[in-house]
Amino acid sequence: GNSVTQMEGPVTLSEEAFLTINCTYTATGYPSLFWYVQYPGEGLQLLLKATKADDKGSNKGFEATYRKETTSFHLEKGSVQVSDSAVYFCALRLTSGGYQKVTFGTGTKLQVIP
Amino acid sequence: DTEVTQTPKHLVMGMTNKKSLKCEQHMGHRAMYWYKQKAKKPPELMFVYSYEKLSINESVPSRFSPECPNSSLLNLHLHALQPEDSALYLCASSPPAGTDQPQHFGDGTRLSIL
Repeated sequence: GNSVTQMEGPVTLSEEAFLTINCTYTATGYPSLFWYVQYPGEGLQLLLKATKADDKGSNKGFEATYRKETTSFHLEKGSVQVSDSAVYFCALRLTSGGYQKVTFGTGTKLQVIP
Repeated sequence: DTEVTQTPKHLVMGMTNKKSLKCEQHMGHRAMYWYKQKAKKPPELMFVYSYEKLSINESVPSRFSPECPNSSLLNLHLHALQPEDSALYLCASSPPAGTDQPQHFGDGTRLSIL
């Protein structure tokens, strides 16, 4: 079956610190990989994506590279801000017929303190 | 601004009530999804509609009844819910297969069962 494993949280960092949130996956077929972010009281927003091996997704200073050899998609940011405090979900997507089947990781809560 | 609109944002209901959650998108997406999200957990898939036909029902209790009246609207009818059904209910949509676009999520309806 398909699964996504991401590091346990919460992660607490000082402002301007370097962020890494680890994510590994198991999948049949050739999934696309995503990071979603959920701010308190809101739905999920797409942060970045990668659709094939060695692709690098990036957005708002966040980056993740699709590593097929290690089945990983780790999220990184060089300098976090207080406004980055949220829950981050790693996810893989497979397409079946006319719809998408998304498998989410358990989520990692990030708290950035001034 | 979210392109998937969910109403209401909050709903409190008794166990004997009947209510409906609504979801609307005008992006031309032909797949729509209902997810349930408990606190500190990832979203769990409930139902998938593809081209207005129910494609997936993840063994959801019959007290939840989905409906897709047209390609832009998705409803979730609720009846005789239990306290454990209190959660954030998220709607999502995605374009037809063959594109790289991910699912787009609404901000959700926060449901509380008294």
